[in-house]
Amino acid sequence: EVQLVESGGDLVQPGGSLTLSCAASGFSLSNYNMHWVRQAPGKGLEWVSYISSSSGSIHYADSVRGRFTISGDNAKNSLYLQMNSLRDEDTAVYYCARYSGYSGAMDVWGQGTTVTVSS
Amino acid sequence: EIVMTQSPATLSVSPGERATLSCRASQSITSNLAWYQQKPGQAPRLLIYGASTRATGIPARFSASGSGTEFTLTISSLQSEDFAVYYCQQYNNWPVTFGQGTKVEIK
Repeated sequence: EVQLVESGGDLVQPGGSLTLSCAASGFSLSNYNMHWVRQAPGKGLEWVSYISSSSGSIHYADSVRGRFTISGDNAKNSLYLQMNSLRDEDTAVYYCARYSGYSGAMDVWGQGTTVTVSS
Repeated sequence: EIVMTQSPATLSVSPGERATLSCRASQSITSNLAWYQQKPGQAPRLLIYGASTRATGIPARFSASGSGTEFTLTISSLQSEDFAVYYCQQYNNWPVTFGQGTKVEIK
């Protein structure tokens, strides 16, 4: 079964750091590009970051550029999001999602992990 | 950045009725548009890609059309499981952007 499972969400103080993980199963990350998407409480979806399977192409939303770093470990079949200098407005459920090269859309999503930034 | 605008924000529909959701892009995205369904407490689910192609396992009552800047998602006969929030998303340009969502609620 194709599955994504996020972990690492936590309560963190403003200015703090956190690393999210996304474990893939049923497929190999070496063959797929990946996204991180977040959803603040009661709000819509916001794209955060993208990485190609080779890590040769990386994109960030303006709201996180310079603070967040996306990476992948194909050997561990896992995706990561290193988040630094966290702000209140980073509070959200963070989803990893698989990019479908065939469709261009996000065809597989994890269940999400919750990040709360608060003092 | 391409701004995606969905309308209406909320759509009240009776079960069995037809629902029509709209999505407009601030500039042409050709057919690089997807629709997602999200139920409370769940992750989004891909419904449509390429503006009009149903994803695997999506019932035929979901149909979509459009190109350029104007797009439509139609649910022909609403079932109880279809009451949810629907998002459009463009993947023509970076950054990828989502609409703000349309909530389809029971009338």
